[in-house]
Amino acid sequence: DVKVTQSSRYLVKRTGEKVFLECVQDMDHENMFWYRQDPGLGLRLIYFSYDVKMKEKGDIPEGYSVSREKKERFSLILESASTNQTSMYLCASRLGQANTGELFFGEGSRLTVL
Amino acid sequence: AQSVTQLGSHVSVSEGALVLLRCNYSSSVPPYLFWYVQYPNQGLQLLLKYTSAATLVKGINGFEAEFKKSETSFHLTKPSAHMSDAAEYFCAVKSYGQNFVFGPGTRLSVLP
Repeated sequence: DVKVTQSSRYLVKRTGEKVFLECVQDMDHENMFWYRQDPGLGLRLIYFSYDVKMKEKGDIPEGYSVSREKKERFSLILESASTNQTSMYLCASRLGQANTGELFFGEGSRLTVL
Repeated sequence: AQSVTQLGSHVSVSEGALVLLRCNYSSSVPPYLFWYVQYPNQGLQLLLKYTSAATLVKGINGFEAEFKKSETSFHLTKPSAHMSDAAEYFCAVKSYGQNFVFGPGTRLSVLP
């Protein structure tokens, strides 16, 4: 089975802190994604990556950056956390070539910014 | 641009009753359609997907969905609800060259 592992399930940070959310997948998937989930808004795409060293902005990239130095790892960075970034963050991966392929999700990281 | 609407942010059914969760999409090109389920404090898990083969798609846990092109719909059904079906359900659409677009979700409650 594909496993997508997010390093932290729950985090509490203070305004202005730098926050790292780590995601690792074990199925050699080319594509990786970071979503933000808020009640009533569904999932919104922050950033995605089609390959190592590559990154693309999603729908809501402001206030976030990403890093993909290795194929299996995709990190989301909040340079200076703000209270409006309190949310559930979901990492996902997908086999790149199959257009019908689904997303595989991690368990999520619930971030609270005080 | 693609979009997904899910009618009803919260649906309640009695145990043993029919489950019907609605999903309508807009897409300018033939879409691929997905239903995901999210249990409390967990990530999303794929229930089923439509990829232009049979229009009636069967998934896990007794769920199925029917793709109706004329109605641009992909409603999710289950004949008999179980307490363990209580969760949030997301419909998603993907077209060639586009990223996934998710609906806002429907929370399903199952009453004893």
